Amino acid sequence: NAGVTQTPKFRILKIGQSMTLQCAQDMNHNYMYWYRQDPGMGLKLIYYSVGAGITDKGEVPNGYNVSRSTTEDFPLRLELAAPSQTSVYFCASTQLTGSGTEAFFGQGTRLTVV
Amino acid sequence: DAKTTQPNSMESNEEEPVHLPCNHSTISGTDYIHWYRQLPSQGPEYVIHGLTSNVNNRMASLAIAEDRKSSTLILHRATLRDAAVYYCLGGSNYKLTFGKGTLLTVNP
Repeated sequence: NAGVTQTPKFRILKIGQSMTLQCAQDMNHNYMYWYRQDPGMGLKLIYYSVGAGITDKGEVPNGYNVSRSTTEDFPLRLELAAPSQTSVYFCASTQLTGSGTEAFFGQGTRLTVV
Repeated sequence: DAKTTQPNSMESNEEEPVHLPCNHSTISGTDYIHWYRQLPSQGPEYVIHGLTSNVNNRMASLAIAEDRKSSTLILHRATLRDAAVYYCLGGSNYKLTFGKGTLLTVNP
């Protein structure tokens, strides 16, 4: 199993450009998450999904959009990139069992907006 | 969401035990306590979780206070590879939110 795969690993965007960060998991997990991590800070939840077709906002959703058309994929869309969106983005997935949860994280996408 | 409080940083010597504390006084009765860690330049990785009883796995032990308002992650013999930021999550079981965590430094 590959686990959680994020692409690309690195990207430089110009202000106002748009892009999609890809996230795929092969563990048939129902829950998926997107986080951002600014330098020296903890992770902030952007959006999460409890299953295909269902998404909800996290702590910092402004400037981002998500969709979940399949169980495996959870792309994150930046429509008008701003310097404040320079960060490392992590995707995660888990299968909620009712007895706690072990989430698996991707290796991250380092995004710089200039 | 329940708020967790952890020390900003802690230091340990190699081969010695480490006790990482976490306060989660507003946790609900059905929320599990999860611990994750993040090694430098990597994504977070799961360490351990528990509800009421103390828990052990190959990585660590989790001691949960009887009133569930606090917990302690125990690394029995710290190694240099354990140097990381350790996060305690005490909120919703599915809406995983992270605080600032504790930066653990392990001295050789």
